[in-house]
Amino acid sequence: NAGVMQNPRHLVRRRGQEARLRCSPMKGHSHVYWYRQLPEEGLKFMVYLQKENIIDESGMPKERFSAEFPKEGPSILRIQQVVRGDSAAYFCASSPQDSGGYTFGSGTRLTVV
Amino acid sequence: KNEVEQSPQNLTAQEGEFITINCSYSVGISALHWLQQHPGGGIVSLFMLSSGKKKHGRLIATINIQEKHSSLHITASHPRDSAVYICAVKGGNTGNQFYFGTGTSLTVIP
Repeated sequence: NAGVMQNPRHLVRRRGQEARLRCSPMKGHSHVYWYRQLPEEGLKFMVYLQKENIIDESGMPKERFSAEFPKEGPSILRIQQVVRGDSAAYFCASSPQDSGGYTFGSGTRLTVV
Repeated sequence: KNEVEQSPQNLTAQEGEFITINCSYSVGISALHWLQQHPGGGIVSLFMLSSGKKKHGRLIATINIQEKHSSLHITASHPRDSAVYICAVKGGNTGNQFYFGTGTSLTVIP
């Protein structure tokens, strides 16, 4: 059981480019959560998805950010036209149900230059 | 004011000491989590609690729903316990949100 896989581990993007972050949940997990940890700050909830559905995106910026969790394949967090303030560690977690045990990925560290 | 408050922010202990980290929250919750984040940044889920007490090795977590308070205890602390410990609750208005404390940075000195 490979756990929650996030890739890439490190991502460098120039201002204005797009960043795509991937999260493959644990086998059998159909719930995915994305979080962001800004430098020197705590974790902040962004979005909660089930397969093919966004359940709660109240923590996600309204512009430039989107998330999906298709029927097949990993969950994708997409950031368009990145800015320096998007530099952060992005973590995802998965669970088998909305009240089940959560497993975290190792995170993707995005640096915008 | 944060929905989740942790104390202390920083903690230094001698190896072998008993350690307590506290977490208070202000929202309705369905579950509370204790997480461990090591210097490399990876996050490990230690406990998920909705009531009572759980124990895993030298770690004990308790929750008092009425008082909206949880504690994480580490017995016989060891330098490898050095990490940031984060309290997180699931709940809020939608019931789906996670709120995180700012973490307690623990350093255990040999």
